[in-house]
Amino acid sequence: TQLLEQSPQFLSIQEGENLTVYCNSSSVFSSLQWYRQEPGEGPVLLVTVVTGGEVKKLKRLTFQFGDARKDSSLHITAAQPGDTGLYLCAGVNNAGNMLTFGGGTRLMVKP
Amino acid sequence: SAVISQKPSRDICQRGTSLTIQCQVDSQVTMMFWYRQQPGQSLTLIATANQGSEATYESGFVIDKFPISRPNLTFSTLTVSNMSPEDSSIYLCSVWGFTEAFFGQGTRLTVV
Repeated sequence: TQLLEQSPQFLSIQEGENLTVYCNSSSVFSSLQWYRQEPGEGPVLLVTVVTGGEVKKLKRLTFQFGDARKDSSLHITAAQPGDTGLYLCAGVNNAGNMLTFGGGTRLMVKP
Repeated sequence: SAVISQKPSRDICQRGTSLTIQCQVDSQVTMMFWYRQQPGQSLTLIATANQGSEATYESGFVIDKFPISRPNLTFSTLTVSNMSPEDSSIYLCSVWGFTEAFFGQGTRLTVV
């Protein structure tokens, strides 16, 4: 069974602070995705990382994929209250049609 | 992309009763997924529903408790049967759109 562990589970910070969320896998997935979910909504894709060592930036969000393609991180610079939500990493299976979710990180950014 | 309409958005049900959740997709898809989520926590896959065949259930979930229908390529239902307070949760349907997953808004179920 492929498992994804996310840390921390919960993070409460002040506006303007930086933070990093980690996602570690027990095995290699074909790719790894990060989703963000707001209350009352379904998760929405932020990014997909495929290549070991890959770095992707989405405004103040920086996503890294480890060289061995078993770990990933999400770094948010100068967090804003609008970043508040549940962040989920998910591994895509080899068939490319199914996800395994990590435990999630609940982020609260206080003004 | 895919747009998913899920209903009801929320419900409060008496224990021992059943609730059927509907999921409508705006395009034809082979696989539909049903998840359960405790508020603020991650998603747990209940089952995968393919059109024309029985759903495939994950460990800990059984067909008698969570029967699923998949009558065509754009629609599916999940029934939560003989509910107990432990079934209180958010239930989401999802489809895979080639490169990413799309989700309904979820059904928040409270069993009293």
